Amino acid sequence: DSGVTQTPKHLITATGQRVTLRCSPRSGDLSVYWYQQSLDQGLQFLIQYYNGEERAKGNILERFSAQQFPDLHSELNLSSLELGDSALYFCASSAGRGLSEKLFFGSGTQLSVL
Amino acid sequence: LAKTTQPISMDSYEGQEVNITCSHNNIATNDYITWYQQFPSQGPRFIIQGYKTKVTNEVASLFIPADRKSSTLSLPRVSLSDTAVYYCLVGDPNFGNEKLTFGTGTRLTIIP
Repeated sequence: DSGVTQTPKHLITATGQRVTLRCSPRSGDLSVYWYQQSLDQGLQFLIQYYNGEERAKGNILERFSAQQFPDLHSELNLSSLELGDSALYFCASSAGRGLSEKLFFGSGTQLSVL
Repeated sequence: LAKTTQPISMDSYEGQEVNITCSHNNIATNDYITWYQQFPSQGPRFIIQGYKTKVTNEVASLFIPADRKSSTLSLPRVSLSDTAVYYCLVGDPNFGNEKLTFGTGTRLTIIP
């Protein structure tokens, strides 16, 4: 158990809908990272937050947004969903914000857009 | 331009030593090199991290040459449970250390 909690584990929805994925980092970790993993794209970095502030952005679509709350949990909002958004979404946390920090990953949210 | 380059796949027999090499020509001075292991439908798990020369822990060794443009993950005496995808991770020199991008990974298959 990594200590990172993601909910829900599975999500099935229809095209055009909006969903919210939730992540609770390990106790004491200040950084949260979101990754998307699909069969043909590998593990893609989406966005990182450190202590409530956005620190880095990757290949995140404009239809996607995220935030980190004062209690350090984070939410990833996906809107106007398309079939291609079906993927496994991982959240990771670390104590700090640099590469020397070890990342701890949650078990992921499997999103299926039908 | 890929930030890291790894073999797409490797096969090895049980009990053998496996070496997976990652190329990272644009590694920045302050970047660390980190390797993760991922099993199907699970999040990646930290294996080992290093900056230069050699690092060893209970599961693997990491060899980094002086120019740091590559690194080699060494798994001693692999077993079937080592079948997984292995990722080499370095910082993005255009964004500092904060954009932690994984490479394509190496799918390692251990053969009985």
